[in-house]
Amino acid sequence: QVQLVESGGGVVQPGRSLRLSCAASGYTFSAYGMHWVRQAPGKGLEWVAVIWYDGSKKYYTDSVKGRFTISRDDSRNTLYLQMNSLRVEDTAVYYCARDPGDNGDFYFDNWGQGTLVTVSS
Amino acid sequence: QSALTQPASVSGSPGQSITISCTGTSGDVGAYNYVSWYQHQPGKAPKLIIYDVSNRPSGVSNRFSGSKSGNTASLTISGLQAEDEADYYCSTTLLFGGGTRLTVL
Repeated sequence: QVQLVESGGGVVQPGRSLRLSCAASGYTFSAYGMHWVRQAPGKGLEWVAVIWYDGSKKYYTDSVKGRFTISRDDSRNTLYLQMNSLRVEDTAVYYCARDPGDNGDFYFDNWGQGTLVTVSS
Repeated sequence: QSALTQPASVSGSPGQSITISCTGTSGDVGAYNYVSWYQHQPGKAPKLIIYDVSNRPSGVSNRFSGSKSGNTASLTISGLQAEDEADYYCSTTLLFGGGTRLTVL
């Protein structure tokens, strides 16, 4: 069965960096696009970033462009999110999610349990 | 881009049916048959319940159904059960709705 396990969250000061990881198992990781989605406390879901199955394309929501970088290591079946210049408003539970869609049909058929990132001084 | 618009809350009694709307624009909901719906219960991972407007993934109850008309998509849950109590989110073109809290009375 598909399993996605996030790690790397924690408490960090504004302006600092953090790298999240998402370990995938139970399927051919290299065949699927992957996303990061976050949920701030008391708020709804917000899409953050996507990486194509082959790593050829990456897209970000406007609020994280230039600060966050999504990447993948297919040899390790792992997705990453490098988060730099963190802001208080980046505080959220971060989920990784698998995308079986095609040709712009983005959707998320498997999700991890999430990892909490708290940005606070 | 703005989030898609959903009602903040809906409620229903066991056995009843409810419908949650998701309103976007001609550039997102209205443009493609790519609307998906997610059930999110506290402390759990979100769960895909509808994709491509009206398709159910394997294992999802047929009490859940989706449709779309123009710029508005809808999720209907029939035969409400206590276990359906959760937050529900629509999504399309990398946008999410604000979420709808379903309370089973």
